[in-house]
Amino acid sequence: DTGVSQNPRHKITKRGQNVTFRCDPISEHNRLYWYRQTLGQGPEFLTYFQNEAQLEKSRLLSDRFSAERPKGSFSTLEIQRTEQGDSAMYLCASSFVSTQYFGPGTRLLVL
Amino acid sequence: AQRVTQPEKLLSVFKGAPVELKCNYSYSGSPELFWYVQYSRQRLQLLLRHISRESIKGFTADLNKGETSFHLKKPFAQEEDSAMYYCALSILTNFGNEKLTFGTGTRLTIIP
Repeated sequence: DTGVSQNPRHKITKRGQNVTFRCDPISEHNRLYWYRQTLGQGPEFLTYFQNEAQLEKSRLLSDRFSAERPKGSFSTLEIQRTEQGDSAMYLCASSFVSTQYFGPGTRLLVL
Repeated sequence: AQRVTQPEKLLSVFKGAPVELKCNYSYSGSPELFWYVQYSRQRLQLLLRHISRESIKGFTADLNKGETSFHLKKPFAQEEDSAMYYCALSILTNFGNEKLTFGTGTRLTIIP
């Protein structure tokens, strides 16, 4: 286990298309987080899972965004009807107690 | 609402000189503060957290509740310290998770 992994690393899509990202956390980490980072900004919290339960969602997460974590292992983040404003780096992090370990991110570009 | 401010977007320091990256926060409760670092082409990684009171790679940071600051310091900069540094505040939510609020980051460049 070499840490949190995310796929794909890069995604280019056309406006209006749907995209899905995957995050594989560190084994045995029960907490999983999604963040979004735009140019010149720090990461911003999107949503949080404890095991398979999605316990918190940011107001940044519009209705076009949905996240799942079936069986409490990997997680997916889907964006429907993408908009140019969705272009960003999407980061996943996992933790067991408190320290969050980040993945390399998925860079999304919406044309 | 909690907020983290890093006033310097860019900071250049000569090798061997002292480094100080500023971080101020606003939060009404008891905060837990972190510094994360991102080296070129690498993922975001934890540098240090205030409760551990450790010195990592020569860096230290002291939480000053009176000034609501958590500045990162190193007495002698090294070229490998060049990176992006983010200050982050963690709050314990009602759901039992620790949600991180990040500053906008400071890009530190060490001049040889």
